[in-house]
Amino acid sequence: QVHLVQSGREVKKPGASVKVSCKTSGYTFPNYGISWLRQAPGQGLEWMAWISPANNNTKYAPNIQDRFLMTTDTSTQTVYLELRSLRSDDTAVYFCARTSFWGFYFDYWGQGTLVTVSS
Amino acid sequence: DIVLTQSPGTLSLSPGERATLSCRASQSVKSSFLAWYQQKPGQAPRLLIYGASSWAPDIPHRFSGSGSGTDFTLTISRLEPEDFAVYYCQQYDSSPYTFGQGTKLEIK
Repeated sequence: QVHLVQSGREVKKPGASVKVSCKTSGYTFPNYGISWLRQAPGQGLEWMAWISPANNNTKYAPNIQDRFLMTTDTSTQTVYLELRSLRSDDTAVYFCARTSFWGFYFDYWGQGTLVTVSS
Repeated sequence: DIVLTQSPGTLSLSPGERATLSCRASQSVKSSFLAWYQQKPGQAPRLLIYGASSWAPDIPHRFSGSGSGTDFTLTISRLEPEDFAVYYCQQYDSSPYTFGQGTKLEIK
């Protein structure tokens, strides 16, 4: 059974950094990319970025600046998203999601991590 | 970027009724690279449909997707109590992979 389990909620001050983890299981880790999406409070879904655990290739949405960095750890089948220089408008639930082999849709999701940025 | 516009914003129906949700794209979505998701409060989205009309695993067949080009539809043939949620369409034709703003399906 495919599972994606994310780290717990975070509260950070503006300008700080946070690292969110997404531990996967139940499938062959290198074979599927992982995307990160976010959902601001009461808002819709936004795709932000994708990483391939096979070769660490990445793809980012144009509005995602250099503040976001993804990494992988194949030994633990975990993907990380680091958000730097946090702003108040980064407050959102961040989801990791397995990206289908057949196209950029998302077939399994983590439970979400709430990141709150507040002074 | 491809903009997806969903309608209606809110749909009020009763269990047993038929629901029809629309998703319109600002430009043609080639190869019907369109997916539908269901999201309940406090939960992650769940994939329902991909390729405009193919069921994701374990999705009941009362959910069906149709359409091509710029106009797509999600139909729920007979609403069950657990179907009341927010529904999103998403295009994966071109990056950035965008979502519609959602349709809230509520109990009448």
